Amino acid sequence: DSGVTQTPKHLITATGQRVTLRCSPRSGDLSVYWYQQSLDQGLQFLIQYYNGEERAKGNILERFSAQQFPDLHSELNLSSLELGDSALYFCASSVLPTQETQYFGPGTRLLVL
Amino acid sequence: GQQLNQSPQSMFIQEGEDVSMNCTSSSIFNTWLWYKQDPGEGPVLLIALYKAGELTSNGRLTAQFGITRKDSFLNISASIPSDVGIYFCAGQYTGNQFYFGTGTSLTVIP
Repeated sequence: DSGVTQTPKHLITATGQRVTLRCSPRSGDLSVYWYQQSLDQGLQFLIQYYNGEERAKGNILERFSAQQFPDLHSELNLSSLELGDSALYFCASSVLPTQETQYFGPGTRLLVL
Repeated sequence: GQQLNQSPQSMFIQEGEDVSMNCTSSSIFNTWLWYKQDPGEGPVLLIALYKAGELTSNGRLTAQFGITRKDSFLNISASIPSDVGIYFCAGQYTGNQFYFGTGTSLTVIP
């Protein structure tokens, strides 16, 4: 158990819909990262937050957004969902803002039908 | 984005055999990480390497940070059935994002 929690574990929705994925980092970790893992793309970095502020952006679509709250939990919002958004979404956390060793949560499996 | 090349892509080995896999990049990195991912689970950190030439062990696992800083290696000795999973490398140049390898799928035959 990494100490990172993610909810829900599974999510099934339809194209065009909007969903919110939630992540709670390990106790004491201030940085949260979101990754997308699909079969043909591997692990792709989406976005990082540190202590409530956006720190780094990766391959995140404009339809996706995220935020980190004062209690350090983070939410990833996916809107106007397309079939290709079906993937595993992982949250990871670390203590420092400089993307050092990260600990991953169990993931949310999103299926868009 | 950049992706690291991992090889082999998959391995089928007998229980008790040793395993070697590697990861290469076109860019130099200051940190290499190795993760294991079980089906439907998140990647679990196995070993972290912070210095070129560094050799670090974690039980039956040994990883090395290549001296060119463009590659890393993971060895598993005396494999057991619970070693089954996908192994990912990840590399980072200080302060930048981590880039992940394409993964090596390991199957251990009892």
